[in-house]
Amino acid sequence: EVQLVQSGAEVKKPGESLKISCKASGYRFSTYWIGWVRQMPGKGLEWVAIIYPGDFDTRYSPSFRGQVTISADTSISTAYLQWNSLKASDTAMYYCARPQGYGDYPFDNWGQGTLVTVSS
Amino acid sequence: QSVLTQPPSASGTPGQRVTISCSGSSSNIGSNTVNWYQRLPGTAPKLLIHRNNQRPSGVPDRFSGSKSGTSASLAISGLQSEDEADYYCAAWEDTLHGWIFGGGTKVTVL
Repeated sequence: EVQLVQSGAEVKKPGESLKISCKASGYRFSTYWIGWVRQMPGKGLEWVAIIYPGDFDTRYSPSFRGQVTISADTSISTAYLQWNSLKASDTAMYYCARPQGYGDYPFDNWGQGTLVTVSS
Repeated sequence: QSVLTQPPSASGTPGQRVTISCSGSSSNIGSNTVNWYQRLPGTAPKLLIHRNNQRPSGVPDRFSGSKSGTSASLAISGLQSEDEADYYCAAWEDTLHGWIFGGGTKVTVL
């Protein structure tokens, strides 16, 4: 059974850095893309970024390029999303999700979500 | 701002049929398949319908999807109280080289 288990909720101040994680199990981590989806309070879902752990190929939504960094550690089957300088507008629930492929494919497995709160 | 347009809310009484629309354009729904996700309160999204009208294993057959041109719809037949959730459509966007979602529709069972 595929499982994506995310790190716990975070409360940070503007300007601080943060790295959240998503540990995968139940499949060969290096052979599937894995990405992140944001949900701001009261808003819809937005695709953020995706990585192929097999060769660390990364793709970003234009809205998020330069704002976050996606990475992965194949030795522990874990994907990460990182901010160098958080803003209040980064406050949101972040889900990791695994699509069946990069392209016209659905996200068929989701993590439980990590709530990130940025407030002074 | 979501690129796929959904009504913000829909409702029905138990047993009724509810339909949710999702409108896009030629570069997303018009040229790619539509997926639907259900997000029950306090939980992560779950794939409900993929490739326009395919149900993953375990999804009740009262959920059905369809697509025509640049629009799609999700139908819930025989509405049940446990169907109260947020529903999102999604598709691959050719110009973005990424995924886009609708703003979500909150279904309330009266």
